[in-house]
Amino acid sequence: QVQLQESGPGLVKVSETLSLTCTVSGTSIKSYYWTWIRQPPGKGLEWIAYIYYSGSTKSNPSLRSRVTISVDTSNNHFSLKLNSVAAADTAVYYCARVDVNTVTYDFWGQGTLVTVSS
Amino acid sequence: QSALTQPASVSGSPGQSITISCTGTSSDVGSYDLVSWYQHHPGKAPKLIIYEVTKRPSGVSNRFSGSKSGNTASLTISGLQAEDESDYYCCSYAGSNIYVLFGGGTKLTVL
Repeated sequence: QVQLQESGPGLVKVSETLSLTCTVSGTSIKSYYWTWIRQPPGKGLEWIAYIYYSGSTKSNPSLRSRVTISVDTSNNHFSLKLNSVAAADTAVYYCARVDVNTVTYDFWGQGTLVTVSS
Repeated sequence: QSALTQPASVSGSPGQSITISCTGTSSDVGSYDLVSWYQHHPGKAPKLIIYEVTKRPSGVSNRFSGSKSGNTASLTISGLQAEDESDYYCCSYAGSNIYVLFGGGTKLTVL
């Protein structure tokens, strides 16, 4: 059974860098695309970026200048870095597996709340 | 680009049917048959219930069905059960630049 688990600090200071890791189990990270999605409190979901195991990436134009997504095939995990964070980046961050052809997110993590505070 | 528009809440009694709409534009929902729906119980991982407008993943009840007309996609849940009470989100491909948009979510209450 495919499982994803987000990990990382729950509190980040304004202007610093948010760093999260998604550990994948039950399947190899190879041959799939993997993505980050977030949900600010009281708001809808927002796609952040995706990555292929080969390292090919695509990110949301509104976040592109601040986002770095990477993959570690040896440890079967992928990561997100979002720099220069502000209060508006406070959200529950989810990692998921994505079929980029059908734009389908078939397995998700439970999410992790990251609060940006001064 | 704005998120897709969903009603904030819908409700229904056990056994009834409900429909949740997801309205986009001719640049997203209206142009591609790449709409998916997710069920999300707070604190748990979201679950894919419909993809490519009408398709159901293996293991998803046939009480869930999807459709699309013009710029609006819809999720219908028939034979409502207490366990269906959850948040539901739609998602649509929006072209190679934007890539994907999500709806704001709909809270389903089973009365």
